[in-house]
Amino acid sequence: DAKTTQPPSMDCAEGRAANLPCNHSTISGNEYVYWYRQIHSQGPQYIIHGLKNNETNEMASLIITEDRKSSTLILPHATLRDTAVYYCIVKIINTDKLIFGTGTRLQVFP
Amino acid sequence: DAEITQSPRHKITETGRQVTLACHQTWNHNNMFWYRQDLGHGLRLIHYSYGVQDTNKGEVSDGYSVSRSNTEDLPLTLESAASSQTSVYFCASARTGSSDTQYFGPGTRLTVL
Repeated sequence: DAKTTQPPSMDCAEGRAANLPCNHSTISGNEYVYWYRQIHSQGPQYIIHGLKNNETNEMASLIITEDRKSSTLILPHATLRDTAVYYCIVKIINTDKLIFGTGTRLQVFP
Repeated sequence: DAEITQSPRHKITETGRQVTLACHQTWNHNNMFWYRQDLGHGLRLIHYSYGVQDTNKGEVSDGYSVSRSNTEDLPLTLESAASSQTSVYFCASARTGSSDTQYFGPGTRLTVL
């Protein structure tokens, strides 16, 4: 079973920041937080991951709380092409298995 | 550019037939994975491989098999297709070890009539 809880859906206006929350209250010390997204009918796409520090790349920022029990994915300036299902996944270090939940469906509107 | 491909992209077959879905990657990744995705659900792991001659069962492996004879390919076989195996199948690959990412193929939509 997935070890994360996400809201089933969210809306965001184009050009605004999209903040997608994820709860992972049972995360263990050797588990990373990963975010993937899946645009309609395509294969999932990696976005970002982190252990305990906040991370930023060209796609997004990841904010992990100090107790690591929750995190937030931030898309700083959402576009219509960011409409997708976003999956938050916790993954054990040194294994490559991903366990997907049902994710958050983000709808970006004009 | 390196890539991961799946074929066919669409397949219709009949109950009881054997079906093989191909997955090919050119990144020289050791790790490869097969997932299925059903309407309204996330991806579920079927089988995975950490290298040539290595295969492992995932959470929904019944009715499926894989073999790994080289680094580039991990074909998924449905020995006797069932209507419950109608789904979209995704293959993925990743480098060995630690927190590296998985790269997914475009998917194969399989319909079993």
